[in-house]
Amino acid sequence: QKEVEQNSGPLSVPEGAIASLNCTYSDRGSQSFFWYRQYSGKSPELIMSIYSNGDKEDGRFTAQLNKASQYVSLLIRDSQPSDSATYLCAVNQAGTALIFGKGTTLSVSS
Amino acid sequence: KAGVTQTPRYLIKTRGQQVTLSCSPISGHRSVSWYQQTPGQGLQFLFEYFSETQRNKGNFPGRFSGRQFSNSRSEMNVSTLELGDSALYLCASSLFGGRETQYFGPGTRLLVL
Repeated sequence: QKEVEQNSGPLSVPEGAIASLNCTYSDRGSQSFFWYRQYSGKSPELIMSIYSNGDKEDGRFTAQLNKASQYVSLLIRDSQPSDSATYLCAVNQAGTALIFGKGTTLSVSS
Repeated sequence: KAGVTQTPRYLIKTRGQQVTLSCSPISGHRSVSWYQQTPGQGLQFLFEYFSETQRNKGNFPGRFSGRQFSNSRSEMNVSTLELGDSALYLCASSLFGGRETQYFGPGTRLLVL
């Protein structure tokens, strides 16, 4: 059974701090890794995709992938109250379905 | 470009009834995937359609079915509704599926009484 594990949280950080969200996956053949953000009552929206080992930066967001450790993370710098949401990690390989973790709830306090 | 659209947005049904949900993908996208989201189980994959063919299927009973039309629009059907089918049903589209990014629609919230 392919699994994606995330700490459910809540992860609480003060405004301006760095939020670190982590995800592990069981399928060593996984090739594509995604972070989605979901506000309460809304649908998931893509934040980052990453396909190769290392870091990928986009504005205040950095995704980090370590395939050897089967670990992917998302760092949010200068966290804002508007970043308060559930963050979903998703993983797949070519030809297979996207598998989601259950999400980590982030709360940024002002 | 318009995003993924889903209709209806909300539905209330009773046990034993059936329901059909509709999804229109982003223009040019040929892959459509369906997910069920519940507080306890999170986002679970139902099935994926590409060029009118079901390409992948999740671990759901046969009461859940779907289809895709030549214009890439997709429908999913749930027959003999059960209380446990109450959920947010999300549709996501991508150009060709596989490793590509999927873009989600707003979802259809189904309540089964």
